Amino acid sequence: QKEVEQNSGPLSVPEGAIASLNCTYSDRVSQSFFWYRQYSGKSPELIMSIYSNGDKEDGRFTAQLNKASQYVSLLIRDSQPSDSATYLCAVNSQTGANNLFFGTGTRLTVIP
Amino acid sequence: DAGITQSPRYKITETGRQVTLMCHQTWSHSYMFWYRQDLGHGLRLIYYSAAADITDKGEVPDGYVVSRSKTENFPLTLESATRSQTSVYFCASRTGQGNTIYFGEGSWLTVV
Repeated sequence: QKEVEQNSGPLSVPEGAIASLNCTYSDRVSQSFFWYRQYSGKSPELIMSIYSNGDKEDGRFTAQLNKASQYVSLLIRDSQPSDSATYLCAVNSQTGANNLFFGTGTRLTVIP
Repeated sequence: DAGITQSPRYKITETGRQVTLMCHQTWSHSYMFWYRQDLGHGLRLIYYSAAADITDKGEVPDGYVVSRSKTENFPLTLESATRSQTSVYFCASRTGQGNTIYFGEGSWLTVV
């Protein structure tokens, strides 16, 4: 079983719709959760971090965490074509240097 | 603010040759990382370093060597390149206390 699993997609949504991206993880003691956005040919950039159960909002982005279900999600409201990218879920490991494990990413396409 | 810079950005080499990818950061972050990114596998940790002269293996260390004589530099060497090492390599860093890692722009390596 992979440490972090994501639906690889592709996920297509029309402009202005809500995009919902999901991630599950296997390590029950993980404490830190991140969403990175990666445009084609570019490096990952952090867009959200979440540490506590519940929702965390930042502009059009909302991260949701449910530790009991070992589930993290990212909602993008009012999706824009510029949101078209691959979204990587990352979860910290309690071993080693508190390193991050990454999912394989979900490719999102926002259709104008 | 230069952040993390990687060189070369693009490299083609032949099987069996030694290749070194350079990574330099200007933030004085204590932790530095090397990841490789491949289709279907996502980002996988090769090696990491907690401080100068302290390095440790990640998920996929075989065939790679690292060193860290100075806090700001973390070179990755492929001692005898193989085709399976064709990939995009990302250097990353974070502070000692933080969980958030920041990525360099990536180095595209092709082994022919």
